[in-house]
Amino acid sequence: QKEVEQNSGPLSVPEGAIASLNCTYSDRGSQSFFWYRQYSGKSPELIMSIYSNGDKEDGRFTAQLNKASQYVSLLIRDSQPSDSATYLCAVKWNTGNQFYFGTGTSLTVIP
Amino acid sequence: GAVVSQHPSRVICKSGTSVKIECRSLDFQATTMFWYRQFPKQSLMLMATSNEGSKATYEQGVEKDKFLINHASLTLSTLTVTSAHPEDSSFYICSASYGLNEQFFGPGTRLTVL
Repeated sequence: QKEVEQNSGPLSVPEGAIASLNCTYSDRGSQSFFWYRQYSGKSPELIMSIYSNGDKEDGRFTAQLNKASQYVSLLIRDSQPSDSATYLCAVKWNTGNQFYFGTGTSLTVIP
Repeated sequence: GAVVSQHPSRVICKSGTSVKIECRSLDFQATTMFWYRQFPKQSLMLMATSNEGSKATYEQGVEKDKFLINHASLTLSTLTVTSAHPEDSSFYICSASYGLNEQFFGPGTRLTVL
């Protein structure tokens, strides 16, 4: 069974700190990985996509992918209270075009 | 770019009635649309994948006769919840994709069945 797993949290970090979110997946053949942010009562919004091993940086966000270890992580530098949300990891398998989501990690940035 | 809309944003209906939710890609042609359901404090659950002009592919455990999906054009997909019951109350979210990668989400429809 294909699975995407995240620590549900909650994760609390002080304002200005680095928040680290992790995700593991079961299908070694997965090819595309995404991080979405979801505020309470809202739909997810795409933050980052990553397709190859290594780091990908976009502003305060860095996605890290290690296909050999089957994990993908998201680092948020200089965390702000507005970053408080649930972060969803999504994996697109090699077959088909469906995404499968983890259960999400709740992040709270404390002012 | 890549804006997806949903209508209605919120609906309250009586048990036994049917509810239709529309999902539109506003500035791109969506080759594939997806329908998700999300219960409180839970993650997104994929219900079905819909390609324009063909029958939707439903995930295991999702009743295709209860959740009717129509994808009549490259910019519109509809989800009809037939004979809704209180246990169908949930947050329904569509997403659209025009390539092999990113999905763009609509704002969601909150359904409450009394």
